[in-house]
Amino acid sequence: EPEVTQTPSHQVTQMGQEVILRCVPISNHLYFYWYRQILGQKVEFLVSFYNNEISEKSEIFDDQFSVERPDGSNFTLKIRSTKLEDSAMYFCASSVGRSNTEAFFGQGTRLTVV
Amino acid sequence: AQTVTQSQPEMSVQEAETVTLSCTYDTSESDYYLFWYKQPPSRQMILVIRQEAYKQQNATENRFSVNFQKAAKSFSLKISDSQLGDAAMYFCAYRSAANFGNEKLTFGTGTRLTIIP
Repeated sequence: EPEVTQTPSHQVTQMGQEVILRCVPISNHLYFYWYRQILGQKVEFLVSFYNNEISEKSEIFDDQFSVERPDGSNFTLKIRSTKLEDSAMYFCASSVGRSNTEAFFGQGTRLTVV
Repeated sequence: AQTVTQSQPEMSVQEAETVTLSCTYDTSESDYYLFWYKQPPSRQMILVIRQEAYKQQNATENRFSVNFQKAAKSFSLKISDSQLGDAAMYFCAYRSAANFGNEKLTFGTGTRLTIIP
């Protein structure tokens, strides 16, 4: 069964450092998403991406964040200068399109900023 | 903006019994989708069941079924014959069926379900 793959599973970084979280969406999917879940809290939408551009972003997704689909298969989330409050589980998801409503999630990357 | 509310932070049920998890939502839209996701200790988000708002029939997936009350904006999940593997955090989620740019999921705060052997 096809799945969304995220790497790494756990990333520890120093405050102020840049991190890149990587995702390989399901191959025939067209819509890509990043969500964040701070420990013990609900899952929050960060950004959606379609046709090589951001289609929607939340207020959390400020100038410190960026997304990219560099090579047609990977979908990355970059945090330029990490803060302690960026520590969270980051989930990548993908879906075929609006005609198919199911989003498939990856297993998540746990980001710890120290 | 849409909101999703799960008023039960924790629930427990005896193995083999039935449990119902509550979810209410607020929206001004008439066409949308509703989902229940399961998050086990591994923390991966797994789709349990989905409901299209235009369908009157409640969705069913094996032991999982929903009670969708559109007028009341209620979307509860019933788990029958509960099994130990059902223990997880359950999130209710909303997605607009509107046009481009509204594909995001809005999640509730979750209900932690414990199965008592």
